[in-house]
Amino acid sequence: GAVVSQHPSRVICKSGTSVKIECRSLDFQATTMFWYRQFPKQSLMLMATSNEGSKATYEQGVEKDKFLINHASLTLSTLTVTSAHPEDSSFYICSAPEREGPHSVYNEQFFGPGTRLTVL
Amino acid sequence: LAKTTQPISMDSYEGQEVNITCSHNNIATNDYITWYQQFPSQGPRFIIQGYKTKVTNEVASLFIPADRKSSTLSLPRVSLSDTAVYYCLVGDWVNDMRFGAGTRLTVKP
Repeated sequence: GAVVSQHPSRVICKSGTSVKIECRSLDFQATTMFWYRQFPKQSLMLMATSNEGSKATYEQGVEKDKFLINHASLTLSTLTVTSAHPEDSSFYICSAPEREGPHSVYNEQFFGPGTRLTVL
Repeated sequence: LAKTTQPISMDSYEGQEVNITCSHNNIATNDYITWYQQFPSQGPRFIIQGYKTKVTNEVASLFIPADRKSSTLSLPRVSLSDTAVYYCLVGDWVNDMRFGAGTRLTVKP
């Protein structure tokens, strides 16, 4: 199937710094990507929908100034956690649907491997 | 948005068939039903998707009754490696990529 990558896979940073996480669709184009965060033993929580060439749509309760999303190309979306604090420590996952091509299933999302963020 | 309800956890033994049911009473006409599997510290992985009746692939079957208000994921002859969290999602890919609580399946030897 199609592949979505994330970079970095793991990051440790100091409180107050900003961290950028990249999500790439490797063999298909993605006009839409989704960003999630997941705390231990909990489900994935949708944070925002990233749209290529336009502003992201954030879920209720997610601070758009805190979690900056940029979807500048059809294969790359970035999530920047600004002024990170320990409570932002979590597992961040992105996903993208492939709309065309041999892997296309109506509602199939391809998920990245996730990024483990630890804020000290 | 179609909300989903699944059992929080299930236990099984190697070689058994496991059936996980998901309730989605307010499913819309255009909604599809998709199941994902997630291992710890990994992104979810697509298992199967269906709209109505029965769908089968190399890893699972999905049973959907005529009223589509529920669906059952069937895993034949599970192994230890099937221990994971299984999520049922209902909707279209644009608007309904919100996960429910999922079912934590533990397969025992």
